[in-house]
Amino acid sequence: GQQVMQIPQYQHVQEGEDFTTYCNSSTTLSNIQWYKQRPGGHPVFLIQLVKSGEVKKQKRLTFQFGEAKKNSSLHITATQTTDVGTYFCAGRGGSQGNLIFGKGTKLSVKP
Amino acid sequence: NAGVTQTPKFQVLKTGQSMTLQCAQDMNHEYMSWYRQDPGMGLRLIHYSVGAGITDQGEVPNGYNVSRSTTEDFPLRLLSAAPSQTSVYFCASSRRLLRTSVYQETQYFGPGTRLLVL
Repeated sequence: GQQVMQIPQYQHVQEGEDFTTYCNSSTTLSNIQWYKQRPGGHPVFLIQLVKSGEVKKQKRLTFQFGEAKKNSSLHITATQTTDVGTYFCAGRGGSQGNLIFGKGTKLSVKP
Repeated sequence: NAGVTQTPKFQVLKTGQSMTLQCAQDMNHEYMSWYRQDPGMGLRLIHYSVGAGITDQGEVPNGYNVSRSTTEDFPLRLLSAAPSQTSVYFCASSRRLLRTSVYQETQYFGPGTRLLVL
């Protein structure tokens, strides 16, 4: 079945450093979504990417969808302590396929 | 709007007991889903619904039942609780809009129910 792998599992950075998490699917995706979950909280939707090679920005966050629609990345420039949390990618195999989540990357930021 | 609400927030069960986790949304979304989150496992889809009266299985449906009699409510029933069902359960809702042959969707999660089965 469809699998979504996410790396790294953990990332510790100094405040001001950049951070990137990568997501790879075993199958071509119709879309990929990114979520952020703060400690003790629930996942919060960040963005959806649907087009091959798509790049979207939200302030210091940059999201990319690969040309083959099988991989994606989230890059945070100049991390802040408010960026702490776990970032999940979730891929949908077809327009009606299930949404499969990666295991997440837990980001900690040292002030 | 309250968004997606879940009750209870915490629950302790004994093995073999049954219970229902409640989920409601007030955004008139047609899609609703139940996930469980275990340490190091991400979120796994249990069951989902694409509208009132329509439900289907996700990745890990065994031991759980769902029904969708109204657009607003999507309860999850544990038939006979087992320690392996100790987890955090999240309900989510979304609307999918077809725009230029691509589905646009935003999924909203509830605050979660922490379940401990002894």
